[in-house]
Amino acid sequence: DAGVIQSPRHEVTEMGQEVTLRCKPISGHNSLFWYRQTMMRGLELLIYFNNNVPIDDSGMPEDRFSAKMPNASFSTLKIQPSEPRDSAVYFCASSFGGREKLFFGSGTQLSVL
Amino acid sequence: GESVGLHLPTLSVQEGDNSIINCAYSNSASDYFIWYKQESGKGPQFIIDIRSNMDKRQGQRVTVLLNKTVKHLSLQIAATQPGDSAVYFCAEMGNQGGKLIFGQGTELSVKP
Repeated sequence: DAGVIQSPRHEVTEMGQEVTLRCKPISGHNSLFWYRQTMMRGLELLIYFNNNVPIDDSGMPEDRFSAKMPNASFSTLKIQPSEPRDSAVYFCASSFGGREKLFFGSGTQLSVL
Repeated sequence: GESVGLHLPTLSVQEGDNSIINCAYSNSASDYFIWYKQESGKGPQFIIDIRSNMDKRQGQRVTVLLNKTVKHLSLQIAATQPGDSAVYFCAEMGNQGGKLIFGQGTELSVKP
């Protein structure tokens, strides 16, 4: 298995632009998680899905952030409009059953100028 | 004002020595715990996990100890190698499942 696949690996954009991050979970996993990592706040859970349904989005910072999971093999995290304070590494992770270990992707390094 | 980044706790050990990384967790209802290793430029990588019905679990060169009385978790790495240099995170999950919450991390530096 290729593991959790995230794209793009790096994204540089200007303030105000829309940013879309993509994730393909491990085949057979039914839980998917979006995390954000910064030096200031460490690893923060933004949202997680179980069987493609958002279960907890309390970590989403504000309405500029949205996440979708249209099917079991794909999820997106969108920021519109982006701001410099959104600059961070965004990780996607997946697990089987929601109470097992999470497997992480390599992350998307986002820089908003 | 100027923002200040987190300064991770750092543990520096000599190659071949044993390492002990500690973690205090916050939620007494947490019943599943995981240690992750994160190397520079990579995502967190699973090392070992333990459920609250156990006090100790061993893997290859690693041991996790859980003390529920004081809400403390530790990771022991035997015969530490340069490849073990990374940031190590403990993470906890409540008995409702789903939400895995990470600690701040400890940076392990192995001197040859």
